[in-house]
Amino acid sequence: QKEVEQNSGPLSVPEGAIASLNCTYSDRGSQSFFWYRQYSGKSPELIMFIYSNGDKEDGRFTAQLNKASQYVSLLIRDSQPSDSATYLCAVGLGGGSNYKLTFGKGTLLTVNP
Amino acid sequence: SAVISQKPSRDICQRGTSLTIQCQVDSQVTMMFWYRQQPGQSLTLIATANQGSEATYESGFVIDKFPISRPNLTFSTLTVSNMSPEDSSIYLCSVMTGWPYEQYFGPGTRLTVT
Repeated sequence: QKEVEQNSGPLSVPEGAIASLNCTYSDRGSQSFFWYRQYSGKSPELIMFIYSNGDKEDGRFTAQLNKASQYVSLLIRDSQPSDSATYLCAVGLGGGSNYKLTFGKGTLLTVNP
Repeated sequence: SAVISQKPSRDICQRGTSLTIQCQVDSQVTMMFWYRQQPGQSLTLIATANQGSEATYESGFVIDKFPISRPNLTFSTLTVSNMSPEDSSIYLCSVMTGWPYEQYFGPGTRLTVT
């Protein structure tokens, strides 16, 4: 069974700090990795994706992927109260019409002013 | 990204009835999906809506309970049939626009079954 594991949190950080969110996955054939942000009562919003080992930076967000360790992380620098949300890790597997995402349960992040 | 709309945004339905949820995208997309998110839980894939053919259902979900249509590349419907309180959930339409396989979500339909 393909699994995506995340710490459920809550993760609490002070404003301006770095928030580190982690995710592990079970299927070594996984090809693509996504981070979604979900505010309470809203639908998930795609904020980062990564396909290759290493780091990918976009503004205050950095996604890190280590396929050998089956590990993907999201760093949020200079955290703001508006970053308070649930962060969902999603892993893509398969091809063509068989492609689908498997989601972790999400990590609740709270940024304290 | 694609702009996705869903109707209705919310509904309260009686046990034993059915509700059809519509999903409209502003551009043609390769794949459309239907997810369910129960309170405090993550997303569970119900099925992949295939254009011109029957939907592909995930384990635990069947066509008789969740019939899906996809008549073209911008529109899909999900019907929740013979509803019970356990069907109370948020139902989300999602689209994928092709490589690099980014997937985007509609605003969701909040369903309450009484």
